[in-house]
Amino acid sequence: AQSVTQPDIHITVSEGASLELRCNYSYGATPYLFWYVQSPGQGLQLLLKYFSGDTLVQGIKGFEAEFKRSQSSFNLRKPSVHWSDAAEYFCAVGAGDYKLSFGAGTTVTVRA
Amino acid sequence: DTAVSQTPKYLVTQMGNDKSIKCEQNLGHDTMYWYKQDSKKFLKIMFSYNNKELIINETVPNRFSPKSPDKAHLNLHINSLELGDSAVYFCASRHGTDTQYFGPGTRLTVL
Repeated sequence: AQSVTQPDIHITVSEGASLELRCNYSYGATPYLFWYVQSPGQGLQLLLKYFSGDTLVQGIKGFEAEFKRSQSSFNLRKPSVHWSDAAEYFCAVGAGDYKLSFGAGTTVTVRA
Repeated sequence: DTAVSQTPKYLVTQMGNDKSIKCEQNLGHDTMYWYKQDSKKFLKIMFSYNNKELIINETVPNRFSPKSPDKAHLNLHINSLELGDSAVYFCASRHGTDTQYFGPGTRLTVL
C-alpha cells in the first residue's frame, strides 16, 4: 500500500521569501502525486498534480512541484510567499486505483 | 456553480443521536468519497462509491452507513453518535483515475 510522509509539521516563512514543503512517498510503481491546500475553515483545493511526463509541474497560485523518482519525493515550492498562502498543505499519493493516501499535512505561517 | 456541495456545514448534536450529512456533485463524476479529518487535521478515507456501488470501506464502525441514491449523491448516516465522531467530514468526487475534488466539509461536534 502507498503512504506519504510530510516531515515538516509547521513552517514559518516571511512574506516575500521562498517556500519549500517536503513530501516523500512510498509506492512500488510510479504513483499519481498531488498537492492540496486547505485554508482555515475551508475544504481542500488542488494546487497541482503529477501523473507522468515532465517532472516539474506548474500549479495554481504560483506553486510548482518536482517529482524525483530516485528520492521518492514530490516537494512543493513557491518563489515568493504572500500572506494569503498561510494554510495547511497536504501531499497525497494515488496508485491508479480508487484511493488517495494523504500525508499528515504541513502548516504554513506567513509573518509580515 | 458549486462542484461538490455538502449540507449542513456545521452540525452540533448530543451523544446517542442519529444524524445525516448530504453530498452532491454536479461534475458528472462516477466515483464519490467520504473522508474524516480529525482534530490533528489527518485525513482518512472512509468510503468510496463508484456508479452507486460500494468499492471502499475502510474499517469504519457499522454505525456509519453511506447511501448513494444516484451517481451525483452520496450521503452519510451516522447512528448512535459518540464523542469520538467529532471531526470534519469531507465529501469528494472523481472521474476515472483523475483528480479528486473536495467539498467544503461538514464540521460535526458531538456533545
